[in-house]
Amino acid sequence: AQSVTQLDSHVSVSEGTPVLLRCNYSSSYSPSLFWYVQHPNKGLQLLLKYTSAATLVKGINGFEAEFKKSETSFHLTKPSAHMSDAAEYFCVVSVGTGFQKLVFGTGTRLLVSP
Amino acid sequence: GAVVSQHPSWVICKSGTSVKIECRSLDFQATTMFWYRQFPKQSLMLMATSNEGSKATYEQGVEKDKFLINHASLTLSTLTVTSAHPEDSSFYICSAGELPGGPPEAFFGQGTRLTVV
Repeated sequence: AQSVTQLDSHVSVSEGTPVLLRCNYSSSYSPSLFWYVQHPNKGLQLLLKYTSAATLVKGINGFEAEFKKSETSFHLTKPSAHMSDAAEYFCVVSVGTGFQKLVFGTGTRLLVSP
Repeated sequence: GAVVSQHPSWVICKSGTSVKIECRSLDFQATTMFWYRQFPKQSLMLMATSNEGSKATYEQGVEKDKFLINHASLTLSTLTVTSAHPEDSSFYICSAGELPGGPPEAFFGQGTRLTVV
């Protein structure tokens, strides 16, 4: 069965410093992986997606993630945090051939201090 | 890009009443939509898969008689919470994807915050 594990429930950074949100996946075949962001009381916005093309994926707002099969990881990074990046981030894996059926990680709350 | 609209964005209802939530794909057709539930400070849990023109598929532990799903057209799915109780208070989110040939990601509505008093 497909699953994702987000290793940190909270990550705190200072504005202007790098961001690393960790995600490990489990899948019986080559997965499609996504990172979504959710601001308080809002829906989800797609940050980036991996679908077996380039292993380094660039997304919106300066975020990127690298798919590492050997480590079964898909960590999200950003070189320099901005105050507006404070939100909940979900690592997500698709299930089966219906790629739109998704399994969510438990989420990581990113806190950005001035 | 593809837009999914969910309505209402928030609703307060009395215990024992029913509430209907709509999920619309505005600029694309969706044969399949998904309904999720999110408790405070928790992740999203898939409730059911809504299939246009057929019965929804519910995840284990989700009461199909309580959470009625209708997907009457390629652009609209509705979730009705029947005989709502305070424990049904939650954030409900739908998602949809384009028909085969569209991008692989799902597009999410903005969510509905349901409070049952």
